[in-house]
Amino acid sequence: KAGVTQTPRYLIKTRGQQVTLSCSPISGHRSVSWYQQTPGQGLQFLFEYFSETQRNKGNFPGRFSGRQFSNSRSEMNVSTLELGDSALYLCASSLMGQTQYFGPGTRLLVL
Amino acid sequence: AQTVTQSQPEMSVQEAETVTLSCTYDTSESDYYLFWYKQPPSRQMILVIRQEAYKQQNATENRFSVNFQKAAKSFSLKISDSQLGDAAMYFCAYRGLRGSQGNLIFGKGTKLSVKP
Repeated sequence: KAGVTQTPRYLIKTRGQQVTLSCSPISGHRSVSWYQQTPGQGLQFLFEYFSETQRNKGNFPGRFSGRQFSNSRSEMNVSTLELGDSALYLCASSLMGQTQYFGPGTRLLVL
Repeated sequence: AQTVTQSQPEMSVQEAETVTLSCTYDTSESDYYLFWYKQPPSRQMILVIRQEAYKQQNATENRFSVNFQKAAKSFSLKISDSQLGDAAMYFCAYRGLRGSQGNLIFGKGTKLSVKP
């Protein structure tokens, strides 16, 4: 089976812009979770989608949003980018949410 | 709230030797999952091993094994016969079973170096 894929792998944006990141889960997996990784805060949970519904949400501002499509692919959107949004964004998929398998991540740099 | 603590920011091991990475966690739940993930310089997060809290037997995956002490809330990872490719950041993670506890909670990580 192909693993979790994320696009794009690298992204450079400027403050105030918005960005959309995409994640395709492992075939058959219905749960997709998003995490932000920074040197200062470590790995933090953003949100989880299961069957097109947001099941859990982390403690992030409303500028961070996401959605999941009927084919389980997921997107996350960050509006009005801030310098502090520079991070590695990791997507993980799982069958029902137990064991999560991660994609290679999208590295976002906000200038 | 659940927390995961990795008290060793960095560890070093000689190739072919054994190393143990420590992890403690705090939870009021009785059922949960614990994981060790490896993140090499490529930044790809790779699942190393998983432990279900209701299982008394410690999980093992080839050269990787855990020492799960539920009462002490301790979950250490032992790497035997260390190889150069084991050099990476290792993250301990906790996952509850229901509702808002369903996401992974990570420790700060331990950077493992392997000396030839």
